[in-house]
Amino acid sequence: GNSVTQMEGPVTLSEEAFLTINCTYTATGYPSLFWYVQYPGEGLQLLLKATKADDKGSNKGFEATYRKETTSFHLEKGSVQVSDSAVYFCALTLTGGGNKLTFGTGTQLKVEL
Amino acid sequence: DVKVTQSSRYLVKRTGEKVFLECVQDMDHENMFWYRQDPGLGLRLIYFSYDVKMKEKGDIPEGYSVSREKKERFSLILESASTNQTSMYLCASRNAGSNQPQHFGDGTRLSIL
Repeated sequence: GNSVTQMEGPVTLSEEAFLTINCTYTATGYPSLFWYVQYPGEGLQLLLKATKADDKGSNKGFEATYRKETTSFHLEKGSVQVSDSAVYFCALTLTGGGNKLTFGTGTQLKVEL
Repeated sequence: DVKVTQSSRYLVKRTGEKVFLECVQDMDHENMFWYRQDPGLGLRLIYFSYDVKMKEKGDIPEGYSVSREKKERFSLILESASTNQTSMYLCASRNAGSNQPQHFGDGTRLSIL
């Protein structure tokens, strides 16, 4: 079956630090990959996506590259801000038939001054 | 922007009650979804709907049912609420077709006493 594995949190960083949140996946077929973000008290928002191998998704200074050879989609940001504190979810859907998203368990990020 | 509106942010009900959670989207999306979110478990799919009057079981449908009489509205029903259904419930919608992201509401935090 399909699955997504994320690094466990919480991850605590100082402002302006470099962020990496690891995400690996298992899928039967060719998935599209997503990162969603959930700010406190809110629903999930799409942060970025990539639909094929070697694609790079980017938004708000965050980036993730679809690595088929390592089945990974790690989220990175060069300089985090306090306002980036949230829970980040990696997810996949199968191209051509998958309306359903398979989510990882989420990684909480805390950024401190 | 896509707007997915869930009728209540917080809801408290008693064991055995029939509970209705409502979700409305304003972008004429074909697909709609109900998830529950629990600490350490991420998001789990309860039910989804490809179109009006169509429904499919997700990963954890037991104890729930759904209704989709109109395209914009997708209702989740707890037939006889139990304490283990205390959770955050998230509704989402998306356009049909490959690689389309899901758009989420702000969630309903449901407590069953």
